[in-house]
Amino acid sequence: EDKVVQSPLSLVVHEGDTVTLNCSYEVTNFRSLLWYKQEKKAPTFLFMLTSSGIEKKSGRLSSILDKKELFSILNITATQTGDSAIYLCAVVNPGNQFYFGTGTSLTVIP
Amino acid sequence: DAGVTQSPTHLIKTRGQQVTLRCSPKSGHDTVSWYQQALGQGPQFIFQYYEEEERQRGNFPDRFSGHQFPNYSSELNVNALLLGDSALYLCASSLVVSGFGTEAFFGQGTRLTVV
Repeated sequence: EDKVVQSPLSLVVHEGDTVTLNCSYEVTNFRSLLWYKQEKKAPTFLFMLTSSGIEKKSGRLSSILDKKELFSILNITATQTGDSAIYLCAVVNPGNQFYFGTGTSLTVIP
Repeated sequence: DAGVTQSPTHLIKTRGQQVTLRCSPKSGHDTVSWYQQALGQGPQFIFQYYEEEERQRGNFPDRFSGHQFPNYSSELNVNALLLGDSALYLCASSLVVSGFGTEAFFGQGTRLTVV
C-alpha cells in the first residue's frame, strides 16, 4: 500500500531556531515529491522535487530529496511566528495522483 | 489571475442528505482533483477528473461521485451523508503537460459538517 509518513507530528520551537521536517515514502511509480504549507485551509505550494540531491531553496526554506532512501527533508532556518502552520508532504505518481502524509504541525513561539 | 475557487465555503447537512460541492480550477488548468481532509489528518485523495472523465479514484465508496464540465470546472457529490463525512473538502487543479501534471494549486476548501 502506498504511504507517506511525516515526522515529527508536531513541533514547538522558539523564534530564531532551525527546524528539520521529515518525509518518508513508499509509493509505486514515483514521479515527484511536493511540500505544502497549510495555515488555515488551502495548502500553498512550497517546493517540487524530482531529482535526488538537488536542493531547492526559497528564502529561509530549503528542501532536498533522496530517491534511494525514499525520503525528503524540509529545513526552515531562523524561524518566525509566521512559519507556524502544518507542513504537508505529498508524493505524486505518473498519473498525477497525490499521496499526502498527515503533516507536521509547527508552532513558533515568540 | 483567479486561483482555484470553491463553493460554498461552509455547509451543514443532516445525516442521510445529499450534498454538491463546486470547484473552478485555476485559469489554464485542465485537471481537477478532490480531497477529503479530516481534522488532524492530511488530505485523502477522492478522485481526479481530466477531459470530463474520472481518471483515478482513491479508496472512497460509490456514495462519492463527481463530474467535470467542458469549462474544466467540477462538482463533487456525496449521497447518503454520514457523520464521518464531516471534513474539509479540498479541490486542487493542475495542468497536464506532455502526459505529466504540474504542481497542484488548492482552493480554500468547503467545510462540511454533517449533523
